[in-house]
Amino acid sequence: DIQMTQSPSSLSASVGDRVTITCRASQSISSYLNWYQHKSGKAPKLLIYAASSLQTGVPSRFGGSGSGTDFTLTISSLQPEDFATYYCQQTYSAPPVTFGQGTRLEIK
Amino acid sequence: QVQLVESGGGVVQPGRSLRLSCVASGFTFSSYAMNWVRQAPGKGLEWVALISHDGNDKYYADSVKGRFTISRDDSKNTLYLQMNSLTAEDTAVYYCAKDLMVRGYYTFDHWGQGTLVTVSS
Repeated sequence: DIQMTQSPSSLSASVGDRVTITCRASQSISSYLNWYQHKSGKAPKLLIYAASSLQTGVPSRFGGSGSGTDFTLTISSLQPEDFATYYCQQTYSAPPVTFGQGTRLEIK
Repeated sequence: QVQLVESGGGVVQPGRSLRLSCVASGFTFSSYAMNWVRQAPGKGLEWVALISHDGNDKYYADSVKGRFTISRDDSKNTLYLQMNSLTAEDTAVYYCAKDLMVRGYYTFDHWGQGTLVTVSS
C-alpha cells in the first residue's frame, strides 16, 4: 500500500496568515491526490482533487500543487472558519486508497 | 442539494453484527459509486468499502474483507454496510460518501455526518 505522510502534524496560525501543509507519498502517484477538511462532529469536505483542481464552492484562498511524490495545500489568508484538520488522500493505487495522518490547524 | 444521512450505529458486543444504512437525496443515486469511510476515536480517516454505480463491482479494505458487505438499493436511494464478526478495532464513526467519479473512483465529494459504532462487551 502507498503510505502518505503529512507535515506538520499540527500547526498554530493566526487569522490572515498564509499556511502551507505538505504531503509526501511513498511512491509516485502522478497527480492522484486529494485534500479534505474535517471539523470535529461534521462531515469531511473535499477541497482539492487531482492535486490542483478546486472543488466547486470552495473558496479560492485554498490552493493545491505538486505531482509525483510531493504535494502542497496552501491557504493564502486564513479565515476563522478554516481551523480544522486537513487530510491528503491518494487515489493512484487503489484499492486501497490511503489518507495521510492529518494536520491539525489551530488558532494561535 | 446533496444529502447523505447515515443510521444504524450503536453499541454492539464483540462478535455480533450490525447493519448501517445511508439514505441519499439531491442527486441521481443510481448513477454514482458510493463508499464507506470510518474514523476510529483519535485516529485519521480510513476507507472501508466501495460499490460501483450498478452494484457489480465491490472493493474492500483488507481490515474488513470477508466480514463486511457493501450493498445498495437504488429503488430506496439507500446504501448499506453489513458488518459481521465485529471487534473492538471496528469502533469508529462511519461515514457514507458519494464518489465524484473523476479519474476513476475514490474521490469523495459529499459525505454524511456519520454514525457511531461502538464495539464493547
